[in-house]
Amino acid sequence: EPEVTQTPSHQVTQMGQEVILRCVPISNHLYFYWYRQILGQKVEFLVSFYNNEISEKSEIFDDQFSVERPDGSNFTLKIRSTKLEDSAMYFCASSQGEVWTGELFFGEGSRLTVL
Amino acid sequence: GDSVTQMEGPVTLSEEAFLTINCTYTATGYPSLFWYVQYPGEGLQLLLKATKADDKGSNKGFEATYRKETTSFHLEKGSVQVSDSAVYFCALSGLLSSASKIIFGSGTRLSIRP
Repeated sequence: EPEVTQTPSHQVTQMGQEVILRCVPISNHLYFYWYRQILGQKVEFLVSFYNNEISEKSEIFDDQFSVERPDGSNFTLKIRSTKLEDSAMYFCASSQGEVWTGELFFGEGSRLTVL
Repeated sequence: GDSVTQMEGPVTLSEEAFLTINCTYTATGYPSLFWYVQYPGEGLQLLLKATKADDKGSNKGFEATYRKETTSFHLEKGSVQVSDSAVYFCALSGLLSSASKIIFGSGTRLSIRP
């Protein structure tokens, strides 16, 4: 069964360092997303991406964040200069169509720890 | 803006007990409604969905009915199992105001005792 894969599963970094989280969405999906979940808190929307551009982004997704689809398979989230409060589980997701018509398929997450 | 409110956990039940997890929503227009489940150490996965009023979503013995009049989408299961222990998220996606994202509630942790 096709699945969304994410790497790394866990990354520890120092405050101020750049981090890139990688995702391989399901191959025939057209919409891509990043969510995050701070430990014990709700799952928060960061950004949605379609047709090689950002469709929507949340207030969390400030200038320190960027997304890219560098080739036909990968979808990356970059945090330019990490802060302590960026420590969270980051989930990549993809969908075949717009979300209100169907479901999101989530990866298992990348846990980011900022020291 | 659009939002989802669900009952706070944790919820602890004995095996074979009846489960209800309440969820209400606020949205512009007529959203699609979802329940997602997150098993320990895993990502979220869709449990069931309903796309219009009075629809009933069902899967793995779980059910939820889209009630427009009460803006609710409560999750129910008649007889829970230990394997149902997980975090359950109510969610919505709206055509008008949140077409390109799903908005999640805060999650309800469910623990089932053998």
